[in-house]
Amino acid sequence: DTGVSQDPRHKITKRGQNVTFRCDPISEHNRLYWYRQTLGQGPEFLTYFQNEAQLEKSRLLSDRFSAERPKGSFSTLEIQRTEQGDSAMYLCASSPQGRDSYGYTFGSGTRLTVV
Amino acid sequence: KQEVTQIPAALSVPEGENLVLNCSFTDSAIYNLQWFRQDPGKGLTSLLLIQSSQREQTSGRLNASLDKSSGRSTLYIAASQPGDSATYLCAVLGGATNKLIFGTGTLLAVQP
Repeated sequence: DTGVSQDPRHKITKRGQNVTFRCDPISEHNRLYWYRQTLGQGPEFLTYFQNEAQLEKSRLLSDRFSAERPKGSFSTLEIQRTEQGDSAMYLCASSPQGRDSYGYTFGSGTRLTVV
Repeated sequence: KQEVTQIPAALSVPEGENLVLNCSFTDSAIYNLQWFRQDPGKGLTSLLLIQSSQREQTSGRLNASLDKSSGRSTLYIAASQPGDSATYLCAVLGGATNKLIFGTGTLLAVQP
């Protein structure tokens, strides 16, 4: 296993278009998280899954954002009708159950630029 | 609501110096604290994880301490090298949530 993989690494899109990102977590990790990071800031929580269940969503996740983890393995994050304010780094992380014993492993992120 | 603060926001040191990065958090009811490194335009690399019951963790030239009661952690980097230049982020996991709360990071530049 090579860690958490995210695809694509970079995405440039025109305002109003839809985009979808993919995250493949470490295979034995049942928890998967999405974060967003803007320039000069720390990552901000968007949502997390335990297996296929989406257990928490941030208020940052407007109705234009949707995340899925259909089989409890990979996850997708879709942004509809993109806006310039959506430009950011989107980070995915995974962790095994037993939150106080294990840390998070992050992927390399997807850099989104909305023009 | 948990808030995480990192001081300083930026730091520039000559190669070879020992340095300390600071992290403070407002809610001491945490499960663990994790230090990450982030290179420009890249994802996060985990450096050290300290459980709430631990006082410190060491890895190579890095040493992280945790004082949960005062809501503080420090990351000590010994004999800094230009390759240590990056943004260092601390994050806490705690309370009733399953999410890491991050500070805004310290941008470190080690001058050769």
